[in-house]
Amino acid sequence: NAGVTQTPKFRVLKTGQSMTLLCAQDMNHEYMYWYRQDPGMGLRLIHYSVGEGTTAKGEVPDGYNVSRLKKQNFLLGLESAAPSQTSVYFCASTQGRSYNSPLHFGNGTRLTVT
Amino acid sequence: AQSVTQLDSQVPVFEEAPVELRCNYSSSVSVYLFWYVQYPNQGLQLLLKYLSGSTLVKGINGFEAEFNKSQTSFHLRKPSVHISDTAEYFCAVRPSSNTGKLIFGQGTTLQVKP
Repeated sequence: NAGVTQTPKFRVLKTGQSMTLLCAQDMNHEYMYWYRQDPGMGLRLIHYSVGEGTTAKGEVPDGYNVSRLKKQNFLLGLESAAPSQTSVYFCASTQGRSYNSPLHFGNGTRLTVT
Repeated sequence: AQSVTQLDSQVPVFEEAPVELRCNYSSSVSVYLFWYVQYPNQGLQLLLKYLSGSTLVKGINGFEAEFNKSQTSFHLRKPSVHISDTAEYFCAVRPSSNTGKLIFGQGTTLQVKP
């Protein structure tokens, strides 16, 4: 059981380049999230989705776009990378609105923008 | 708006000593409270959660936490730590909405020394 899989694990970009981070879950979860983790700031929510074809902004959405074309996949795009987007990105998913269902996290993508 | 404050960024402790990691939250609505652990180069794993009922919640690996509504706190405790408990710990709140998203604290690094 793979759970939540993030691709790639590491990436180095130059300022202005674009890339897409892929998150895939095999648990048939409805809700998916993208967080970024920075030292001393915990995890901050970028965008999230409560179902296939839906997305919504989180706490720090600027500079990112997302798509949820298939239930199992949640893509995070950076159109023009900036050094401020150097971070570790985590994808998470949960079954739905039940408060008894925890978030399941991927192992993260470490992105460096030079 | 909801927020979470973890009062200590780093907590050094000797092996077999007790430890408390402090977490305070602010919210004008009912919340659900969680502690997650992150081992190096991994995603986050759920330690324990408070949804309702008994204010003392037991989790995995011998950890427990106590919900104190009057003090808006949810401190994490373990009576005797092991080297393997060295990790970063995150407190999080889940507002009683239907989006499932979590709001995280800044994190506390627990350093267990031999």
